[in-house]
Amino acid sequence: QKEVEQNSGPLSVPEGAIASLNCTYSDRGSQSFFWYRQYSGKSPELIMSIYSNGDKEDGRFTAQLNKASQYVSLLIRDSQPSDSATYLCAVTSGSARQLTFGSGTQLTVLP
Amino acid sequence: NAGVTQTPKFQVLKTGQSMTLQCAQDMNHNSMYWYRQDPGMGLRLIYYSASEGTTDKGEVPNGYNVSRLNKREFSLRLESAAPSQTSVYFCASSEEGLGNGYTFGSGTRLTVV
Repeated sequence: QKEVEQNSGPLSVPEGAIASLNCTYSDRGSQSFFWYRQYSGKSPELIMSIYSNGDKEDGRFTAQLNKASQYVSLLIRDSQPSDSATYLCAVTSGSARQLTFGSGTQLTVLP
Repeated sequence: NAGVTQTPKFQVLKTGQSMTLQCAQDMNHNSMYWYRQDPGMGLRLIYYSASEGTTDKGEVPNGYNVSRLNKREFSLRLESAAPSQTSVYFCASSEEGLGNGYTFGSGTRLTVV
């Protein structure tokens, strides 16, 4: 059973702070890694993808990947109340690139 | 751009009833997927279709069947609904490429009583 583990939280940070979300995965053959944001009652929305070791930045978001440690993280700089949501880590596996999801981390940004 | 369209958005079934969840995408993606989402358990893959004419089981296929009608449409059928199938169902599609994630539909909230 391929697994993706996330801290379930909830995680609370003050507005303007850096939020750090972590994820570990069990399948060493995984090639692509994704972070999705899901607001309550809505569908998941892709915010970042990464497939090479190191950091990838997109605006206030930075994804970090360490394949040797089987670890992927998401940093959100200058956190805003609108960032309050559940963040899902997802990892590809299989020939059809099926995504395996973690259970999500609930983030609350306090004004 | 419609993206991925799911119908219906809400449904209440009685135990033993059947229904089909519809999904269509207009992005010319080859791969399509059905997931269910339950509180505290994240998204779990039910079935997927890597291309038109092919379907495969995911992590939790029992009690479900699927049809890849054409490249655009991928339906999920519950033949005899059970309370354990109460969940939110998401359809998604993707194109090939390492960095390409899924595009999700808006979901179907299903309650089986």
